[in-house]
Amino acid sequence: AQTVTQSQPEMSVQEAETVTLSCTYDTSESDYYLFWYKQPPSRQMILVIRQEAYKQQNATENRFSVNFQKAAKSFSLKISDSQLGDAAMYFCAYRSTYNQGGKLIFGQGTELSVKP
Amino acid sequence: EPEVTQTPSHQVTQMGQEVILRCVPISNHLYFYWYRQILGQKVEFLVSFYNNEISEKSEIFDDQFSVERPDGSNFTLKIRSTKLEDSAMYFCATWTGTDTQYFGPGTRLTVL
Repeated sequence: AQTVTQSQPEMSVQEAETVTLSCTYDTSESDYYLFWYKQPPSRQMILVIRQEAYKQQNATENRFSVNFQKAAKSFSLKISDSQLGDAAMYFCAYRSTYNQGGKLIFGQGTELSVKP
Repeated sequence: EPEVTQTPSHQVTQMGQEVILRCVPISNHLYFYWYRQILGQKVEFLVSFYNNEISEKSEIFDDQFSVERPDGSNFTLKIRSTKLEDSAMYFCATWTGTDTQYFGPGTRLTVL
């Protein structure tokens, strides 16, 4: 069974600085999707970025980018020019392409605080 | 932009009571999910639903839980006899089968 691990329960960053959140996963599959979701205090789940495993190029979305290391099974999220609104819980998630049901498997989350 | 909606936003119930949580999926989506998040913990998969039947369920999804699409639009999660440990945020998510799952805003369930 696949697992997702986020080893940093909490992270802190100064406004305008860059921060990297770590995620590792375990799978025997070769094709899958990885996601980062943001959960602000409202507890809404907001998609930040996604990566398809067969694509070697790292995904980017404005200030958010990932470092996808398939061999190492690592999927970190880099937030550049951090803003106060980035403060939230961040979840890494995995989705198999072989499981037709498409469920997401989440990590434990990293609580990011942004200092002004 | 289309969105997933959930009602109620907050449900308070007594232990042993039945609750029904409702979700209105995005109209062209085919896959429907319920996830649960106990306060301070990770989001956990409960059940997936496709073509009017359950396609996968987790160990959490025992006989106390059921899902259905009673009228072809709403997607409901029923908990027959609630326990204290059912207190959590319940998220509905929907998916076309490609692209990304979209989450609703969640229903906060409090069991007293």
